[in-house]
Amino acid sequence: SQTIHQWPATLVQPVGSPLSLECTVEGTSNPNLYWYRQAAGRGLQLLFYSVGIGQISSEVPQNLSASRPQDRQFILSSKKLLLSDSGFYLCAWSIRTAVIGSPLHFGNGTRLTVT
Amino acid sequence: DQQVKQNSPSLSVQEGRISILNCDYTNSMFDYFLWYKKYPAEGPTFLISISSIKDKNEDGRFTVFLNKSAKHLSLHIVPSQPGDSAVYFCAASGPSSGSARQLTFGSGTQLTVLP
Repeated sequence: SQTIHQWPATLVQPVGSPLSLECTVEGTSNPNLYWYRQAAGRGLQLLFYSVGIGQISSEVPQNLSASRPQDRQFILSSKKLLLSDSGFYLCAWSIRTAVIGSPLHFGNGTRLTVT
Repeated sequence: DQQVKQNSPSLSVQEGRISILNCDYTNSMFDYFLWYKKYPAEGPTFLISISSIKDKNEDGRFTVFLNKSAKHLSLHIVPSQPGDSAVYFCAASGPSSGSARQLTFGSGTQLTVLP
């Protein structure tokens, strides 16, 4: 069965510090990978998605970036965090398809607090 | 521009009764709809989905109804149980010109099932 791991679970970082959140998927090959953010009291906002190694699409302009160095590894980064980057970050995967609808499967998330 | 809307931020239901969660969408290209359940500090868990060729899909206590002409879907939970208390997100996607379908999420409805 497929599993998705995301870490760390919680993180407190000062403004201006760098960020690196990691996500790995097991039990599947060639997944689509996604980073979402849930701000306090709001829905889920798509930040980045990837359909393959080195292929990243950005949905929202911001000071965050994403990378996919391996097929089942997805990394969310920032060089300098802002207070507004605080939130709940979720990694997700799905089967690779553009035609057939398929669910996203989420990790347990990282609670990031920028102080 | 909110393409998926959940207009009720919260809903309280007595244990054993029916819970009805509603969702409206505006994009007529959406052809796949999902419901997710989310507990605090966890990632959303996929519950049930429906494609636009159907108007009903049932899985145990959960039934999703789709009214394409009204661009409306609903999730029925019967009978409701205290463990169903969580935030419920509806989501939708449509065909993509690339290799990834993106899910657009509503803002969520907090369901509280009272014992």
